Amino acid sequence: AQSVTQPDIHITVSEGASLELRCNYSYGATPYLFWYVQSPGQGLQLLLKYFSGDTLVQGIKGFEAEFKRSQSSFNLRKPSVHWSDAAEYFCAVGAPGGYNKLIFGAGTRLAVHP
Amino acid sequence: DAGVTQSPTHLIKTRGQQVTLRCSPKSGHDTVSWYQQALGQGPQFIFQYYEEEERQRGNFPDRFSGHQYPNYSSELNVNALLLGDSALYLCASSGPSNTGELFFGEGSRLTVL
Repeated sequence: AQSVTQPDIHITVSEGASLELRCNYSYGATPYLFWYVQSPGQGLQLLLKYFSGDTLVQGIKGFEAEFKRSQSSFNLRKPSVHWSDAAEYFCAVGAPGGYNKLIFGAGTRLAVHP
Repeated sequence: DAGVTQSPTHLIKTRGQQVTLRCSPKSGHDTVSWYQQALGQGPQFIFQYYEEEERQRGNFPDRFSGHQYPNYSSELNVNALLLGDSALYLCASSGPSNTGELFFGEGSRLTVL
C-alpha cells in the first residue's frame, strides 16, 4: 500500500539555522512527490514538487528538496530559517497519471526560536 | 484571480445531523477533490469530481457524498454525523494538465457535538 512517513512530529530550530524535514514514502514505482506548508487556520500551499529529472528541486520561499530513489526519501531543506517559516509541513505522493489523488504524511510542525 | 473558495468557514452540528460544504475551484480548473484533515493528522482523500461525476473515492463510507455542478463548483455532503467526523474539510482544485498539483482552499472546520 502507498504510504508517506514523516518521522518528526515536532521540530524546533533557531532563526537563521538550517533545516531538514524528513519524508519517506512507500510506493511501487517513482511517484510524483510534493511538499506543502500549512499555516494556522489556513489551507495548504505548495512549496515544491518532483516529477522526474533533476533530483534536486527548488521551491518557493528558499526551500529545496532532494529525491533519493535508493532511500525512498524526499527530504525538505532550507539553509537559513526565518521566523515566518513556523508552520506545519506535509509531504505527499501522487501516482503519475493518477488524476491528482495525493497521499499525505501526518506532518511535521516547525517552531522557530528567535 | 480568485483562488479556491470554501463555505462556510466554521460550523457546529450535532450527532445525527447532515451537513453540506461548498467549494468553488480556482478559475480555469475543472477537477475538485475533497480531503478530511483530523486534528494533528495529514489530509485524507475523500473523493474527486470531474465532469460532474465522482472519478475516484478514498476509504470513506457512503455517508459521504458529493456533487459537481456544470460551473465546476462542488458540494460535500455528510449524513448521520458522528463525533469522529469533526475535522477540517479541505477542497482542492486542479486543471486539465493533470500534473498532480493541487490548489487548496482554507477549509471548512466542522465540529460535531
